[in-house]
Amino acid sequence: GENVEQHPSTLSVQEGDSAVIKCTYSDSASNYFPWYKQELGKRPQLIIDIRSNVGEKKDQRIAVTLNKTAKHFSLHITETQPEDSAVYFCAAGLGNTGFQKLVFGTGTRLLVSP
Amino acid sequence: NAGVTQTPKFQVLKTGQSMTLQCAQDMNHEYMSWYRQDPGMGLRLIHYSVGAGITDQGEVPNGYNVSRSTTEDFPLRLLSAAPSQTSVYFCASSRTSGTEQFFGPGTRLTVL
Repeated sequence: GENVEQHPSTLSVQEGDSAVIKCTYSDSASNYFPWYKQELGKRPQLIIDIRSNVGEKKDQRIAVTLNKTAKHFSLHITETQPEDSAVYFCAAGLGNTGFQKLVFGTGTRLLVSP
Repeated sequence: NAGVTQTPKFQVLKTGQSMTLQCAQDMNHEYMSWYRQDPGMGLRLIHYSVGAGITDQGEVPNGYNVSRSTTEDFPLRLLSAAPSQTSVYFCASSRTSGTEQFFGPGTRLTVL
């Protein structure tokens, strides 16, 4: 089955710096790659997603890149702010029809210091 | 819209007890799912449903049952609780395949 690895497990940056979180997946048939942000004690919330027919997607300070050949995708956060501090999860989704099962990475705890 | 709701927020069980975690959504989403979240392991899919009357197993289904009698509700039943089922449980719903999954607030379950 699909396996998703996520690095680093923790990431500390200064406010204003950029942060990059990387994920690799094993199943080349996976075609949907969402990123979720989870604040302490809260539910995961989607921040950005990308499909396999797209190489890059941006939404203000957040961008995601996908390299299908290498089977890895990355989350880029620019101009980080203290409110970006949270745990970020990547996931890979498999399936073209019906329910698309998501396999999640183990999470990256991002700490942005003022 | 309330979105995805879950009850209870917290629950403590003794080994061998049974209980049902409730999940409801008011967005008319066809797809619903249950995940468990354990420290250092991300979220893992337990069961899912693609519509009323249709359910299937996810990655870690053992010890759990589900049913989907209506579009809105998707309860998760623990048949005989074990300490290994201590976790945070999230219910999620989505409109169609490959679209955003909206998560509920979670239920923190402790099995003693």
